[in-house]
Amino acid sequence: DAGITQSPRYKITETGRQVTLMCHQTWSHSYMFWYRQDLGHGLRLIYYSAAADITDKGEVPDGYVVSRSKTENFPLTLESATRSQTSVYFCASSDPYNEQFFGPGTRLTVL
Amino acid sequence: GENVEQHPSTLSVQEGDSAVIKCTYSDSASNYFPWYKQELGKRPQLIIDIRSNVGEKKDQRIAVTLNKTAKHFSLHITETQPEDSAVYFCAARETNTGNQFYFGTGTSLTVIP
Repeated sequence: DAGITQSPRYKITETGRQVTLMCHQTWSHSYMFWYRQDLGHGLRLIYYSAAADITDKGEVPDGYVVSRSKTENFPLTLESATRSQTSVYFCASSDPYNEQFFGPGTRLTVL
Repeated sequence: GENVEQHPSTLSVQEGDSAVIKCTYSDSASNYFPWYKQELGKRPQLIIDIRSNVGEKKDQRIAVTLNKTAKHFSLHITETQPEDSAVYFCAARETNTGNQFYFGTGTSLTVIP
């Protein structure tokens, strides 16, 4: 959906580097989420946010940092990338009562 | 917190047959249950959802049933077609507090022509 975008779509980086994945939505959804998807693990929640300046840890938050200064943006930062963070990252947004809409995903490779 | 279990993890059916995927949840406060389809290399997309005040919902070849007492819900796909081949995820959410979604581990459905 054009309403939620992620950038970059593909990223190759090296161990120890800082990486920021961007997520932008145009629906003014209050909730935003970051998931990682690895083969055999389904969708695992990293962090989510109920509103600007409110964030909460999900299932696998270690090694990640998020911020949400504006409702429409929810960047995810890997402070010091590790090989185990090689994955596909999906951002999603929703209102409080209905389904999530997922972004197109970012495929991250850490060498 | 909520725990959602999904079975089976893989499912193969002949084209034209029906497919059923089952999920159970643990938190009786969960009241919204979406199903997502994810094709290879694509993002998950909603195919159908159901709320706790409804027992069944249909949309053409797809239906979802919910048993609140037993805390389980199921996805039914009839007259399967090759384009139904994908990974399907169930999820549960408690919308009164608008909290996070809890996902099942996914079912890889293959429809054999």
